[in-house]
Amino acid sequence: KQEVTQIPAALSVPEGENLVLNCSFTDSAIYNLQWFRQDPGKGLTSLLLIQSSQREQTSGRLNASLDKSSGRSTLYIAASQPGDSATYLCAVSGYNFNKFYFGSGTKLNVKP
Amino acid sequence: DAGVIQSPRHEVTEMGQEVTLRCKPISGHDYLFWYRQTMMRGLELLIYFNNNVPIDDSGMPEDRFSAKMPNASFSTLKIQPSEPRDSAVYFCASSFGSNEQFFGPGTRLTVL
Repeated sequence: KQEVTQIPAALSVPEGENLVLNCSFTDSAIYNLQWFRQDPGKGLTSLLLIQSSQREQTSGRLNASLDKSSGRSTLYIAASQPGDSATYLCAVSGYNFNKFYFGSGTKLNVKP
Repeated sequence: DAGVIQSPRHEVTEMGQEVTLRCKPISGHDYLFWYRQTMMRGLELLIYFNNNVPIDDSGMPEDRFSAKMPNASFSTLKIQPSEPRDSAVYFCASSFGSNEQFFGPGTRLTVL
């Protein structure tokens, strides 16, 4: 069974910093990797989807990279803002491309 | 589009009662997913449907849980009888093919 790990579990940074969130997975035979954010008491919001044939995806200040061979993905957030404070979740799917396995998330706090 | 719609948003019930959670996926999406989120176990996939047909229910914890999708715009997750350990946030999500999944706001279930 695919295991997904996110380190650190929590991160606190001052506003304006660039930061990297990490996601690792045990089985490199993945189909998709998706990054989400979750605000307290809310559902998940999709940020970026990377298909296995891709190396990275970008959306605004966010950039996600994928290295299947090493079983790792990173989410880079540029010029962080207090509004970026949330829990960020990484999810991967394998040959069953719709069955996602989730990490436990990184709780980000961006201080004004 | 209104996004994925779930009802009720909060449900408090007593042990032994039947609970029914409802979901309306995004129009045009052909996959529907039910997830459960707890502090201890994180986010877990319970079951998913493709074109209204259940594809994988291996995540359903036990026979007390059942899910149906009578048409493309409606699904239910039923727990009968409910137990305190079923207390969690239940999310519904939908997608088109292997594209990104979109989540609803969730139903917070408390079983007393």
